[in-house]
Amino acid sequence: GAVVSQHPSWVICKSGTSVKIECRSLDFQATTMFWYRQFPKQSLMLMATSNEGSKATYEQGVEKDKFLINHASLTLSTLTVTSAHPEDSSFYICSARAPSGRVTDTQYFGPGTRLTVL
Amino acid sequence: AQSVTQLDSQVPVFEEAPVELRCNYSSSVSVYLFWYVQYPNQGLQLLLKYLSGSTLVKGINGFEAEFNKSQTSFHLRKPSVHISDTAEYFCAVRGSGTSYGKLTFGQGTILTVHP
Repeated sequence: GAVVSQHPSWVICKSGTSVKIECRSLDFQATTMFWYRQFPKQSLMLMATSNEGSKATYEQGVEKDKFLINHASLTLSTLTVTSAHPEDSSFYICSARAPSGRVTDTQYFGPGTRLTVL
Repeated sequence: AQSVTQLDSQVPVFEEAPVELRCNYSSSVSVYLFWYVQYPNQGLQLLLKYLSGSTLVKGINGFEAEFNKSQTSFHLRKPSVHISDTAEYFCAVRGSGTSYGKLTFGQGTILTVHP
């Protein structure tokens, strides 16, 4: 089946620093990738939709200048949390959708990245 | 817009007992429905999906779900659970006209299987 990887799997950083998280589709090309965040004991909340070669579409309430998304190729999307603060600590999960053109395509999820900001 | 409600936040059950995890959705358009499982500190794994056709959908690990359009439900069932089924389960919906396949998730149900 389709595999999506994320790197790093966990990261600890100091408040005020920036952190980059990578999401890769390993055995398929993904024109669309999604970024979610999940707080403890809560559901996944979509942050943004990333399309290869174009600007990401952010959900309401998500600061685009704080969460920078780049989808530079069909197999890689990155999320950069800029000037991270403790309230940004969360589990970040990406998913990728294969570009077969059918709306019924399945999203394949990465294993997630645990971000802790001290 | 779509919304998903998972009626039980936690479901404890004994090993080899049957289980049902409930999911209701609301949408103004036709929907596609999904169930995902999440093990601790891991991403989501697709259990099954309903796109069209037969309303009874079979997935991996012995799970199945039935789409009921009149009741706007998509409950997940397993006739006999194992300890290894302990995880959190998410129901998700995608509107048929939703661009780029955006998913809306329910709040999740933690299934705990006791020996």
